[in-house]
Amino acid sequence: NAGVTQTPKFQVLKTGQSMTLQCAQDMNHEYMSWYRQDPGMGLRLIHYSVGAGITDQGEVPNGYNVSRSTTEDFPLRLLSAAPSQTSVYFCASSSLAGTDTQYFGPGTRLTVL
Amino acid sequence: GESVGLHLPTLSVQEGDNSIINCAYSNSASDYFIWYKQESGKGPQFIIDIRSNMDKRQGQRVTVLLNKTVKHLSLQIAATQPGDSAVYFCAEGNAGNNRKLIWGLGTSLAVNP
Repeated sequence: NAGVTQTPKFQVLKTGQSMTLQCAQDMNHEYMSWYRQDPGMGLRLIHYSVGAGITDQGEVPNGYNVSRSTTEDFPLRLLSAAPSQTSVYFCASSSLAGTDTQYFGPGTRLTVL
Repeated sequence: GESVGLHLPTLSVQEGDNSIINCAYSNSASDYFIWYKQESGKGPQFIIDIRSNMDKRQGQRVTVLLNKTVKHLSLQIAATQPGDSAVYFCAEGNAGNNRKLIWGLGTSLAVNP
């Protein structure tokens, strides 16, 4: 199993540009989520999904959109990038059974100029 | 607001020594606690978790202690190795919905050879 994969690893955008961060998992996990990680702050939940066709907002959803058309994929879209979105983004997945732990991808480092 | 915090932002230990990383939490309703390890350039990786009905849980070279009276969580690493160098995060949540975690800021552990 590849686990959780994310692309790209690095990305530089100009203010106002849009882009999609890709996330895929091959563990048949129902739950997938996106976090951002900023220096001096803990991981903050952006959006999450408990299954195909179902998404919900996390702690910091503004400026981001998500969709979940398949169990495997959970892309994160930045509609109009802002410098405040410069961060490292992590995708995670887990099953919905009990206290199953979350498995994280390697992250995407995004810089918005 | 309620949050999860850390007593020490950085910790430096000698190889072979035991390490103790501390974490304070303030949400008395949390009943699930988890430790993640994050190596440079990688996503967080699960280490160990504990429910509030326990005060100690052991894994391979790691032990988590929970003191609900003072809302304190610690991670003990025995015989610390250079490969243990990383940032360690504690997080709190509820066992019924462990994926909605509140994350601490992280403690950087440096192991000196």
